[in-house]
Amino acid sequence: QITLKESGPTLVKPTQTLTLTCTFSGFSLSTSGVGVGWIRQPPGKALEWLALIYWDDDKRYSPSLKSRLTITKDTSKNQVVLTMTNMDPVDTATYYCAHSGPFFDIWGQGTMVTVSS
Amino acid sequence: EIVMTQSPATLSVSPGERATLSCRASQSVSSNLAWYQQKPGQAPRLLIYGASTRATGIPARFSGSGSGTEFTLTISSLQSEDFAVYYCQQYNNLITFGQGTRLEIK
Repeated sequence: QITLKESGPTLVKPTQTLTLTCTFSGFSLSTSGVGVGWIRQPPGKALEWLALIYWDDDKRYSPSLKSRLTITKDTSKNQVVLTMTNMDPVDTATYYCAHSGPFFDIWGQGTMVTVSS
Repeated sequence: EIVMTQSPATLSVSPGERATLSCRASQSVSSNLAWYQQKPGQAPRLLIYGASTRATGIPARFSGSGSGTEFTLTISSLQSEDFAVYYCQQYNNLITFGQGTRLEIK
């Protein structure tokens, strides 16, 4: 059974860097074809894809946010980490990680992040 | 960047009736198209991938069709649990989501 869970701060200040961790079980990120992605959703708005990392360390980013995002993996810990720099109130959203191949078949529960001073 | 446009924004349908949701890509995405269902307070749930393949455990009343730039999600006989927001997603060139269609009870 595949599960994923997001963790990180619930509140960050403008200009700070957000670091989110996705801890997963039930699959290995060293298996060919497997990926983990991050998606966010501002309150009442649509889903927005952020980043994706594959088993071979291939990394893909949303063009509009690429300069602010870094995605990394720790295969031994079954974790994927997303960092987003220079946070702004418009980045307030629920952040999800999801198992990818490259559609997202299993999602975490999401973690709400508020950006406010 | 490929833009995904869903229509209508809101669809009102009675239980037991058929619902047809549309998704258009700004350029061809071949069959690299997925559909998701999202209920309030929940994470999205994968319904369809490859434009027409149902995900594990998805009832047969959900079907997807299309290729290239035009796609359709059809729910053949709406059940109460089907009223939700639906998103399409292309994965042919990076990843983009549509803005969603809210399916509400008429």
